[in-house]
Amino acid sequence: GAGVSQSPRYKVAKRGQDVALRCDPISGHVSLFWYQQALGQGPEFLTYFQNEAQLDKSGLPSDRFFAERPEGSVSTLKIQRTQQEDSAVYLCASSLLQGGGGYTFGSGTRLTVV
Amino acid sequence: GQQLNQSPQSMFIQEGEDVSMNCTSSSIFNTWLWYKQEPGEGPVLLIALYKAGELTSNGRLTAQFGITRKDSFLNISASIPSDVGIYFCAGTTFPTGTASKLTFGTGTRLQVTL
Repeated sequence: GAGVSQSPRYKVAKRGQDVALRCDPISGHVSLFWYQQALGQGPEFLTYFQNEAQLDKSGLPSDRFFAERPEGSVSTLKIQRTQQEDSAVYLCASSLLQGGGGYTFGSGTRLTVV
Repeated sequence: GQQLNQSPQSMFIQEGEDVSMNCTSSSIFNTWLWYKQEPGEGPVLLIALYKAGELTSNGRLTAQFGITRKDSFLNISASIPSDVGIYFCAGTTFPTGTASKLTFGTGTRLQVTL
């Protein structure tokens, strides 16, 4: 597709449930980022991939969060044993090159933990 | 995590008015970016600034990269109703540090009345 596609758009999870969020970047984009955006806040960095290599995961808030991009294209962000504080919009962004900030963001997945 | 300080937090203006907003950081960035986010969508890049002191325009938008590299501002001239949204600044230390990891501001919510 022409843009970054994220699915599902909305996810309601019961506390303690595991969830998986998918990101389809723009074809050929090398860099892929995950950000977390809490209500009323700016996005916060979670993790970064260059192709299939996860080069930075310093923003992942706990070991319940795990991301992968096994073939260097589609990426999945997994959250285990969800907690209420995990409720947020999870944004994926991709870029053709390594840097400069010229990313294209997806529309995000809004996760609500009840 | 760290978020840059943006002001004002929100503003109501009349159509045709000019708008100014700014962003400050306690640390230096090598690239400053301005994004706009509308409800249910991801941020969309408006302007990118790569050099201290740089002044860049994109239509009715003008942004400047502060000389100290710790601040930036965005001006919107002759506002129109479709300017409504949340404006975020973002900084990155690229090409040094983690490639292209963005630190976002807290956002300025703009509402335009007819």
